[in-house]
Amino acid sequence: EAQVTQNPRYLITVTGKKLTVTCSQNMNHEYMSWYRQDPGLGLRQIYYSMNVEVTDKGDVPEGYKVSRKEKRNFPLILESPSPNQTSLYFCASSQGVNNEQFFGPGTRLTVL
Amino acid sequence: GENVEQHPSTLSVQEGDSAVIKCTYSDSASNYFPWYKQELGKGPQLIIDIRSNVGEKKDQRIAVTLNKTAKHFSLHITETQPEDSAVYFCAAPGTDRGSTLGRLYFGRGTQLTVWP
Repeated sequence: EAQVTQNPRYLITVTGKKLTVTCSQNMNHEYMSWYRQDPGLGLRQIYYSMNVEVTDKGDVPEGYKVSRKEKRNFPLILESPSPNQTSLYFCASSQGVNNEQFFGPGTRLTVL
Repeated sequence: GENVEQHPSTLSVQEGDSAVIKCTYSDSASNYFPWYKQELGKGPQLIIDIRSNVGEKKDQRIAVTLNKTAKHFSLHITETQPEDSAVYFCAAPGTDRGSTLGRLYFGRGTQLTVWP
């Protein structure tokens, strides 16, 4: 089944404790992206990758890192999480930015 | 960069009525306009999209219209049903001209409620 998977689905952590949210797709898509969703603000792009080893900042990259060492994986790293990073995070993949985005199920992160 | 504005933020309709959600964008070079539906507890899913070389596209009860001159596009849902209740997002990509190629900009979403 074609899908985007994210782990964990839920995470409660404390300020400053490094964490990684994994994202994997099995559709051989070149484009992958991370979004955060906050009430009233819609979906905001954090980082995107147009291909392996190519990553770029979206609208809200501060406090986040990503890597794209393999085509299928695009982990999101929070080196020192802060409470303002409490949010619902979505990973997505597609053939390109001008193509249908396939979203993962989301990761709800709470930073205390 | 691209600025995508979506209205209204909430919309309530009676079952069987039509619903219209509008989005405006700022980068005239944008050429792809998708609409996503997000059901409670799930990730967004594409329901329809339109490219800049056409003015309208239909898929059963759903249609999207694009006015490139005015830089706006709209989602039309006819004969609404309770299962259409969800949050709907429009989006537009960044472009070379705007130095934002690769980015994707979403509207803030519309909560549609269809009352039986």
